[in-house]
Amino acid sequence: DIQMTQSPSSVSASVGATVTITCRASQGIDRWLGWYQQKPGKAPKLLIYAASTLQVGVPSRFSGSGSETKFTLNISGLQPEDSATYYCQQANTFPYTFGQGTKLEIK
Amino acid sequence: QVQLVQSGPEVKKPGASVKISCKTSGYTFSGYYLHWVRQVPGQGLEYMGWANPHRDATKSAQQFQDRVTMTWDTSMSTAYMEVSRLTSDDTAVYFCAKDSSWFFFDFWGQGTMVTVSS
Repeated sequence: DIQMTQSPSSVSASVGATVTITCRASQGIDRWLGWYQQKPGKAPKLLIYAASTLQVGVPSRFSGSGSETKFTLNISGLQPEDSATYYCQQANTFPYTFGQGTKLEIK
Repeated sequence: QVQLVQSGPEVKKPGASVKISCKTSGYTFSGYYLHWVRQVPGQGLEYMGWANPHRDATKSAQQFQDRVTMTWDTSMSTAYMEVSRLTSDDTAVYFCAKDSSWFFFDFWGQGTMVTVSS
């Protein structure tokens, strides 16, 4: 299975700041990478797919980049509602594995 | 609008089976893969497998292959997943999720909590 490793595991930032979350794949996955946001007690929400394509309805302060083994999720102009856990997921090879998650706290 | 509505919480004894339903609406059920993902409380997301009604096919991740059965009823736009030989390690929230066409998951059910306890 392809292993997905996220860093950091947790991050705290102020309203208006920018945060970057990194996801590394154990082997090349081209651009078959998605990012999800999950709030407590809720299902995950797809934010970005194919590494950099914003899902419909997702604010433009979310952006993604990368290819093969290294990917990043950037969130600029942080808002209080961005407090959540973020997961990456590879869609290149079955089983479609997730990273372990990055918990974002808004100060 | 696309909706996936899952069945309610379950409490099972070790060794039992559980069958979860995922009723979909707002899209052509047989036109998309339907995926299953679980989440142990306080932990991350674990991918379990997919069902493809159009191809009449399923595929489970290796760790679930001999315990998970995915089925569906196209006439009711409903998918099902049965997990057998439950242990306490199967205590988790189970999600169904619609495929976006590229093995990303664009719509999710609300989750079904399964508790395995003697």
